[in-house]
Amino acid sequence: QVYLVQSGDEVKKPGASVKVSCKADGHSLINYEISWVRQAPGQGLEWVGWIAAYSGKTNYAQSLQDRVTLSMDTSTNIAYMELRSLTSDDTAVYYCARQILRMRQRHNDYWGQGTLVTVSS
Amino acid sequence: QSVLAQPPSVSGAPGQTVTISCTGSGSNIGAAYDVHWYQQLPGTAPKLLIFRNSDRPSGVPDRFSGSKSGTSASLAITGLQAEDEADYYCQSYDTSLGVVFGGGTHLTVL
Repeated sequence: QVYLVQSGDEVKKPGASVKVSCKADGHSLINYEISWVRQAPGQGLEWVGWIAAYSGKTNYAQSLQDRVTLSMDTSTNIAYMELRSLTSDDTAVYYCARQILRMRQRHNDYWGQGTLVTVSS
Repeated sequence: QSVLAQPPSVSGAPGQTVTISCTGSGSNIGAAYDVHWYQQLPGTAPKLLIFRNSDRPSGVPDRFSGSKSGTSASLAITGLQAEDEADYYCQSYDTSLGVVFGGGTHLTVL
């Protein structure tokens, strides 16, 4: 079984930044991509971006690309998502997921438990 | 407005069959990108249900099946059970937007 363990819930003020971590337990992420997806309260899933652990290549959603940075520490098997200039619209549960790439097709096979980021003054 | 269109809700009685549609366009599903389906039980993270249009991960019952044709895909659930009550999301890739999700469909088991 593959487990992705995310960091704890966060409360931030508007304009601040947040960094969420995602650690793989029991297996290495080096051969995979890590995808980040968010879900605002009562809403659907929104793709944030992905990072290829083996190369560091990233791909971001257009709506967030100016404010988000994905990174990976392969020595500790931990992926990170940093989101800057937070607004109330960024209040959501943020999920990391292991992403499988095969013949240009991508899907997420294992997901973290989610991290609630609340932006409030 | 999601790039992939799903009905907001569907319902069925135990034992019945329900189908959830996922309609895209020529820049995503119609561009030969695969469709994947996720199940999200209340208060939990999404779980992979169907990948590459019709493949099931180990442990997913064969009551769940997926198909794809043209610019659309479908998820069928046969022999509905109470524990199937959840939100279901389709996912694909768009040549302009990257990874895209459907808006989600809430399944109610009557």
